[in-house]
Order: sequence, then C-alpha cells, then structure tokens
Amino acid sequence: DIQMTQFPSSLSASVGDRVTITCQASQDIRNYLNWYQQKPGKAPKLLIYDASNLETGVPSRFSGSGSGTDFTFTISSLQPEDFATYYCQQYDNHPPLFTFGPGTKVDFK
Amino acid sequence: QLQLHESGPGLVKPSETLSLTCSVSGGSISSTSYYWSWIRQPPGKGLEWIGMIYYRGNTFYSPSLDSRVTLSVDTSNNQFSLNMNSVTAADTAVYYCARLIWSGFRAGFDYWGQGILVTVSS
Repeated sequence: DIQMTQFPSSLSASVGDRVTITCQASQDIRNYLNWYQQKPGKAPKLLIYDASNLETGVPSRFSGSGSGTDFTFTISSLQPEDFATYYCQQYDNHPPLFTFGPGTKVDFK
Repeated sequence: QLQLHESGPGLVKPSETLSLTCSVSGGSISSTSYYWSWIRQPPGKGLEWIGMIYYRGNTFYSPSLDSRVTLSVDTSNNQFSLNMNSVTAADTAVYYCARLIWSGFRAGFDYWGQGILVTVSS
C-alpha cells in the first residue's frame, strides 16, 4: 500500500504569510495527488486536483506542484478564512484506491 | 447546485450493522463520469476512504474494510447506501458521502455531504 506523509503536522502563521506544506508518497504516484481544506465541523473541500490544477472557484492564492513522490501545496498570502487543516490525497486507478495524508493544521501565530 | 445529505442512526451497538443513506439532490446519481463514495473520519483524526459505487452498481472497496462493507445504489430515489457489519468502537466516526469524479483525466471528491456522526457503543 502507498503511504502518505505530510510536513509539518501543524504550523502557526499570520495573515499575509506564505505557507508551504509538503506531501510525500512512499512510491511514485505520478501526479495523482489532490489537496483538500477542512474547517472544524465541516466537510473537506477540494482545492487542487492532479497536483497542480486549481478547482473551479478556488482562489488563485492556492497552488500545488510536484510529481512522483514529492508534492508541495502553497498559500501565497494567508487570509483569515484559510486557517484550517489541509490534507493531501493520492489515488490509484487499478484498482481504485484513495489514501489521505495525515493532515496539516494551520492556525494563528 | 448538487447537494448530498447523509441520514441514519447516530448510535449503533457493537457487533451490529451500521446503515447509512446518502440522498443526492440538484443532480442525477446516474450521471456518467461520477462515482459515489463514502469516507469517514474518527473524532480528531484523519480521513479514510471506505468505498465507491457507480449508478450501475459497480463497486470498489478499501481493502481494509472490504470484508465488512457493502454499498448499494437506488437510482429511482437518487440515493446510495452504506452497510458496515460487525462494528466496534473503532468504527466510531463522522461518515461523509461524496461525489467522486473518476475519469481518465482526473479523480477527486468534489461534492460532500455535511457528515453524520455515528457512535458505536452499548
């Protein structure tokens, strides 16, 4: 099974900061990697699909990059509504299998 | 706007069967290119994919839950369901239903229900 790790597990930041989260897969997953945002008591929200594609309606301050085993998620200028937990999620097609990373909590410094 | 809504008992006894239904509104569950999925999240923990179903009844399950989970679909009522047997306290979680885009070009959960907390306890 493919294992996903995220770094850091939590971080403290201020409004306007640039925030970067790393996700690492235990084996090559090409670009089969999505990023989600989850706020307390709410369902996750898809932000980035296939490593670098912005989901419709998602602000452009969110971005993703990477392929293979190493991926990066960036918020270029943190906004008050961005304080949340972020999860990466990889997928296999044959057979279908979806695995989430452990999450990164972004809170106020 | 597509909406998903989970329903079912919030309390299940150990060794019994957990049964949840997801009602889809604002769109057809029979749309091509979409699967319908269940994901769970134990309190304070991360997300775990449970399984997925196509409107024609094709299913795929997480290997770790395959032996205990059955998904079904009811296209006439635009809903799909989860049955999980032999539950234990470890199955206590918020259960989400979600739409899964799964095509040759991308795969991701783009619409989610609000989630339902299911507690396994006697």
